[in-house]
Amino acid sequence: NAGVTQTPKFRVLKTGQSMTLLCAQDMNHEYMYWYRQDPGMGLRLIHYSVGEGTTAKGEVPDGYNVSRLKKQNFLLGLESAAPSQTSVYFCASTGLQASQPQHFGDGTRLSIL
Amino acid sequence: QQPVQSPQAVILREGEDAVINCSSSKALYSVHWYRQKHGEAPVFLMILLKGGEQKGHDKISASFNEKKQQSSLYLTASQLSYSGTYFCGTESVNNFGNEKLTFGTGTRLTIIP
Repeated sequence: NAGVTQTPKFRVLKTGQSMTLLCAQDMNHEYMYWYRQDPGMGLRLIHYSVGEGTTAKGEVPDGYNVSRLKKQNFLLGLESAAPSQTSVYFCASTGLQASQPQHFGDGTRLSIL
Repeated sequence: QQPVQSPQAVILREGEDAVINCSSSKALYSVHWYRQKHGEAPVFLMILLKGGEQKGHDKISASFNEKKQQSSLYLTASQLSYSGTYFCGTESVNNFGNEKLTFGTGTRLTIIP
């Protein structure tokens, strides 16, 4: 049982480049989330999805786009990477029942030069 | 607005007790607690729901005072394995049903032999 899998684990980009982070979950969860984690800032919600085909903005959505074409996958895109987007990105998912634990992936460490 | 955690960091000797607090400016429906070890994903510890219940397993327990919009995590007779950063995640009453958590900035706990 893989749980939540994030791809890639590490990536270095140059300013202005684009890339997509993939999150896949095998728990049939309805809700999926993308967070970024910076030193001293905790986890901040970028975008989330409450079901296939739906997305919504979180606290820090600027510079990111997301898509949820399949229930098990949640993609996070950076169209034009900026150094301020250097961070560790975590994906999480949870089930339909209210107030359930969120299950996290192992994270993607992204550096923008 | 992120919930405020205190203390920001604490160092304990093995066997000592610790209390980590989480305060919110919003009316809360639930409080989630997670522990994250360095370089790893956050791992779920427990959820406390509106109603002021106290929960616990092993030597880690937590309380939730909905009137004060506060939760506290109690670690008794701490073990080396308790080291890590602890995050509270809050679900506000107004956002109930959206399954969104707002995470605190974390409390770094270091246990020394």
